[in-house]
Amino acid sequence: SQQGEEDPQALSIQEGENATMNCSYKTSINNLQWYRQNSGRGLVHLILIRSNEREKHSGRLRVTLDTSKKSSSLLITASRAADTASYFCATDEAGGFKTIFGAGTRLFVKA
Amino acid sequence: GAVVSQHPSRVICKSGTSVKIECRSLDFQATTMFWYRQFPKKSLMLMATSNEGSKATYEQGVEKDKFLINHASLTLSTLTVTSAHPEDSSFYICSALRAGSTDTQYFGPGTRLTVL
Repeated sequence: SQQGEEDPQALSIQEGENATMNCSYKTSINNLQWYRQNSGRGLVHLILIRSNEREKHSGRLRVTLDTSKKSSSLLITASRAADTASYFCATDEAGGFKTIFGAGTRLFVKA
Repeated sequence: GAVVSQHPSRVICKSGTSVKIECRSLDFQATTMFWYRQFPKKSLMLMATSNEGSKATYEQGVEKDKFLINHASLTLSTLTVTSAHPEDSSFYICSALRAGSTDTQYFGPGTRLTVL
């Protein structure tokens, strides 16, 4: 079953703007990960944040995690047309190593 | 980084035939591999967890006799879609957990299956 829910489902922005995507989940987790998928391709791992971490940065990416609200956000700053893709959050349930994916956000960055 | 390959990348078959998809970890050993299915514009649905040397664990609603999984070595898992039907057409993605690791999965590029 899917436990991650993302919003928005789709997001269209201009190049240079920031894009924020949110993810909520239902159970306790070990960690949360964000992935990117270009149309019809495999997944690219972006960032992993552990349950005891609140914020993490990687280049233009900033991820936050609020375990009290069971939510996470992914911020892409200064977006580029090449950032156009679907973005998924995925959680690993506490006590297990199964990864459950959210519904995903389709980001479209207009040049 | 760790590389996972899938073969074939794309396959078209006739209804009633069986199709085998391979998932290989190229530069690391993977005691656990996962198989996902993805419908167009949808998220990944976990089908089964494949453990080297033991039977796969299937998610609820996934027919084990329909989707045969074999994880015969630390670098190879196979998914066989038996007696394929058009509704089995989908994008199948595998991932691998490096032996000794419990978090980051490495994903294959996916296999597009079209059943006519």
